[in-house]
Amino acid sequence: DTAVSQTPKYLVTQMGNDKSIKCEQNLGHDTMYWYKQDSKKFLKIMFSYNNKELIINETVPNRFSPKSPDKAHLNLHINSLELGDSAVYFCASSQDRGRRAFFGQGTRLTVV
Amino acid sequence: KNQVEQSPQSLIILEGKNCTLQCNYTVSPFSNLRWYKQDTGRGPVSLTIMTFSENTKSNGRYTATLDADTKQSSLHITASQLSDSASYICVVSALVNSGYALNFGKGTSLLVTP
Repeated sequence: DTAVSQTPKYLVTQMGNDKSIKCEQNLGHDTMYWYKQDSKKFLKIMFSYNNKELIINETVPNRFSPKSPDKAHLNLHINSLELGDSAVYFCASSQDRGRRAFFGQGTRLTVV
Repeated sequence: KNQVEQSPQSLIILEGKNCTLQCNYTVSPFSNLRWYKQDTGRGPVSLTIMTFSENTKSNGRYTATLDADTKQSSLHITASQLSDSASYICVVSALVNSGYALNFGKGTSLLVTP
């Protein structure tokens, strides 16, 4: 069974659209994260959620909003997509912040 | 400003050879340092984690070292295999009021050739 799963794996969409990426973890972890990896392979944390509370919000545009229906899910919703949003987005989870994170396979988002 | 610098940016070695990847950081206050391996098209996978008091830690053919005084870490790969071809990312955690802040290096891209 996949520990951290995210869907879809690939997403191609037009500028201005609204899209969501789903993430689920079956590890019973308390903290979930979203990361963005740009074309230069640099990973940057976007959000972390612990017990449904937003802990970290790096300088991310408010077009991006994490939504956590329960402890096992942290979905990423993006409004008014822009070309610069094209990247690979990784979901991850850990038992608590600072512990080892388990990553999903990534979602490659392409905005055209 | 907390920073994590990795070198080299990319590296090509022959199968069976050893190599060492470097990570220098200015993160403070330091909590721990991790090395992740990221295969192409996959998510990062943790290799090792080191806290302030640990100097070295091994995971199979991977050995990480940490010098907390000089704020340097290295990842040594012994007897490289083709499957070691990947990006290796150094992540340093800093203690902040709300918990931890993760600082990522830009990674070293390793290619092991036959």
